[in-house]
Amino acid sequence: SAVISQKPSRDICQRGTSLTIQCQVDSQVTMMFWYRQQPGQSLTLIATANQGSEATYESGFVIDKFPISRPNLTFSTLTVSNMSPEDSSIYLCSVSVDTDTQYFGPGTRLTVL
Amino acid sequence: GQNIDQPTEMTATEGAIVQINCTYQTSGFNGLFWYQQHAGEAPTFLSYNVLDGLEEKGRFSSFLSRSKGYSYLLLKELQMKDSASYLCAVQNSGNTPLVFGKGTRLSVIA
Repeated sequence: SAVISQKPSRDICQRGTSLTIQCQVDSQVTMMFWYRQQPGQSLTLIATANQGSEATYESGFVIDKFPISRPNLTFSTLTVSNMSPEDSSIYLCSVSVDTDTQYFGPGTRLTVL
Repeated sequence: GQNIDQPTEMTATEGAIVQINCTYQTSGFNGLFWYQQHAGEAPTFLSYNVLDGLEEKGRFSSFLSRSKGYSYLLLKELQMKDSASYLCAVQNSGNTPLVFGKGTRLSVIA
C-alpha cells in the first residue's frame, strides 16, 4: 500500500485568490491523479499528473485554471487559480501502486467565499 | 461514452445482508473497483475484480460479470459503522484513472 498525505487538509479562501494543494506519497509511484468531489457528488477526474512533463487534463478542466506540477515520483501539487464559490469542493490526490489498486489521500476541503 | 449506474440510496437493518448493484458501459475494461466513503472522509479501497466471479474478503464480497457489464458488492452482518457511501469505479486500461459512478448512500438502521 501507499501512505498519502495532503496539505492543507482544509482552507477557506476569498474569491479571486489561488490555493496550492500538496500531495506527498511515502514511496515512488508511477501514476498520480487529481480528483474533485463537489458536495454530495461522486469523484470527477481533473487530470493525470505526469512526472517531468505537462499534466493530462480531462474535458472541462484546463491548465490555466488548475496548474499541476509533478517534479518527482513522490510529490505533486494542484493549484486552484482565480477561485470562485463554484470551486468549493474536496480535492483528492490518488496514486496507482500497481494495476489493481488505487489509493486516495485524505483530501483537501476547500471553501471559497 | 462512459456510464456507470448504481442506486442512489439504500437502507438496511443491522445484522442483515445488503447487495449494492453496479452496471457499467465503458470504452474499455481493465477492472472494477469498490470504495467505501464515510461522510467527510476520503474513499477507502474495498475490492478489485478483473475476472468473472465472486471475491470474498471478510464480511464484504464483490462479484463481477464482464459479459453483462454488472457487478455487486455484498455486505454481510451489517454494522452501524457500515453506514457510508459505496462507490463503484471502472478502470478502462492499465494504470489509468478510474471512472466513478455516483455512489450509493447506505444507511444501516437498528
